[in-house]
Amino acid sequence: AQSVTQLDSHVSVSEGTPVLLRCNYSSSYSPSLFWYVQHPNKGLQLLLKYTSAATLVKGINGFEAEFKKSETSFHLTKPSAHMSDAAEYFCVVSLSGSARQLTFGSGTQLTVLP
Amino acid sequence: DAGVIQSPRHEVTEMGQEVTLRCKPISGHDYLFWYRQTMMRGLELLIYFNNNVPIDDSGMPEDRFSAKMPNASFSTLKIQPSEPRDSAVYFCASSSGAAGNTIYFGEGSWLTVV
Repeated sequence: AQSVTQLDSHVSVSEGTPVLLRCNYSSSYSPSLFWYVQHPNKGLQLLLKYTSAATLVKGINGFEAEFKKSETSFHLTKPSAHMSDAAEYFCVVSLSGSARQLTFGSGTQLTVLP
Repeated sequence: DAGVIQSPRHEVTEMGQEVTLRCKPISGHDYLFWYRQTMMRGLELLIYFNNNVPIDDSGMPEDRFSAKMPNASFSTLKIQPSEPRDSAVYFCASSSGAAGNTIYFGEGSWLTVV
């Protein structure tokens, strides 16, 4: 069985300050992990993915995430938030890289304050 | 590539009417997924196809829902008759094993049943 927990349902940061969105997962197998972003009234856009290569994964728009097996975590970070980063972010785990068995986290709503 | 294309983007219909949502996957992708997103339940996988064949429809809520994929470039999700509780955002997504099984989402169809 696999599961994913996003530890914060809402995160607020000021523009220009760092962003940290937390995600813990549980999987019996070697997981693939993804972060997706959903802007208002839009579909889900892939930010980055981990598939057992480098543990530090760089994505689009300055985001990155680090896979830590010992902590079963895959937290998403960005050094400096922009107003355009305000959106909902989903952490997703895939059983052995299978697109047919994705488990979505419940989402974290990121607010960026001016 | 144009990405996953869905239509209509927004639909408002009366209870009891038939609703048909349409999807064109990314060319060359052999998996197609239909998801539903609501505030209460988050993202739910309804059904997925592989090479135009339905593989798992266990997420389809009830017999009022049906999905077809007559060819590699087109799929429909039909609700007949529609009910207010079907109001949600319906996402189509596609993936390919050759692309690392990453799922690419369409922009969604916003359905309101009144």
